[in-house]
Amino acid sequence: QKEVEQNSGPLSVPEGAIASLNCTYSDRGSQSFFWYRQYSGKSPELIMFIYSNGDKEDGRFTAQLNKASQYVSLLIRDSQPSDSATYLCAVNTGNQFYFGTGTSLTVIP
Amino acid sequence: DAGVIQSPRHEVTEMGQEVTLRCKPISGHDYLFWYRQTMMRGLELLIYFNNNVPIDDSGMPEDRFSAKMPNASFSTLKIQPSEPRDSAVYFCASSPTNSNQPQHFGDGTRLSIL
Repeated sequence: QKEVEQNSGPLSVPEGAIASLNCTYSDRGSQSFFWYRQYSGKSPELIMFIYSNGDKEDGRFTAQLNKASQYVSLLIRDSQPSDSATYLCAVNTGNQFYFGTGTSLTVIP
Repeated sequence: DAGVIQSPRHEVTEMGQEVTLRCKPISGHDYLFWYRQTMMRGLELLIYFNNNVPIDDSGMPEDRFSAKMPNASFSTLKIQPSEPRDSAVYFCASSPTNSNQPQHFGDGTRLSIL
């Protein structure tokens, strides 16, 4: 079992819709959770981080964490074509930092 | 502030040659990470350093790969001899700590071994 699992997609949503990206992790002791965006040919760029159960909002982005279910998600409201990228979920267990394989998102104009 | 700086951005070389990738972390960051990214395997952690000391090199694929961090502002990843299957994008990242702080990535080195 991988430490961090993501649906590889591709996920396609129309412009203006909500995109929902999901991630599960295996280590119950995981402490911090991150979402990175990676455009094709570019490096991963941090967009959100969350440490506590619940929701954290930053502009059009909302990260949701449920430690009991070992589940973290990223919602993108009012999706724009510029949001088209691969989204990487990352989890820090306190000793190690693990990345998922990423979900490819395409926003259709 | 300057981010993580990697060089070269692109490297094309022939099989069997030595390849050296370089990284300058963000000033004040104690942790430095080397990753390799391919379409097939995604982002793989190769090795990471804390205060210039290698902590976990279990991701280094084989003895042909070596990494050093002689001081807080410089690290190298060396492949000798290189093979076509080493072709990938290699990223360096740094973070202030390894607990709740995010990692910040350099632009990467796109390596092609012919």
